[in-house]
Amino acid sequence: DAGVIQSPRHEVTEMGQEVTLRCKPISGHDYLFWYRQTMMRGLELLIYFNNNVPIDDSGMPEDRFSAKMPNASFSTLKIQPSEPRDSAVYFCASKSGETYEQYFGPGTRLTVT
Amino acid sequence: AQTVTQSQPEMSVQEAETVTLSCTYDTSENNYYLFWYKQPPSRQMILVIRQEAYKQQNATENRFSVNFQKAAKSFSLKISDSQLGDTAMYFCALLPIQGAQKLVFGQGTRLTINP
Repeated sequence: DAGVIQSPRHEVTEMGQEVTLRCKPISGHDYLFWYRQTMMRGLELLIYFNNNVPIDDSGMPEDRFSAKMPNASFSTLKIQPSEPRDSAVYFCASKSGETYEQYFGPGTRLTVT
Repeated sequence: AQTVTQSQPEMSVQEAETVTLSCTYDTSENNYYLFWYKQPPSRQMILVIRQEAYKQQNATENRFSVNFQKAAKSFSLKISDSQLGDTAMYFCALLPIQGAQKLVFGQGTRLTINP
């Protein structure tokens, strides 16, 4: 199993640009999570899906952030327009409904200048 | 709401020594899981050890063990015979068994193993 796959690994963009982060969960997992990691706030859950349906998006910072899961093998996190304070590492994680363990992807380091 | 607190921002020990990382938490749930995750410089989040709150026996995984004190809401991680590869950020996390699948993390402890 390839594990959770995220792309890109690094993204540098200018303020105001649209940014799209991508995630492929582990095959067979029915939960998908998006986290953000910053020095100031640590690891925060942004949103999670169950069977492709968003269950809890209370961690999404504001309307500039949106997440979709069009099918069981793909999810996107979009920031439009991006701001310097969005600079962080964004993790995707997935898990099976039968277990408790979340498997994390390698993360995307986003830098907004 | 759940909170997780790690009071040691940084720790440093010599190779082969034993080190204990502290974690306290707060939750109104009676059943939950507790975890320690390791984040090396590669950034990958790796599960080190888990504990089910309904189990009294402390979990052990090779050189890693926990001291789980449910009444005190304490969950410390002990690393025995520390190795250079143990150098990483360590995060304590809590997950309620019922309800939302929201993993709550502490702020982390940066552990350095010196040769």
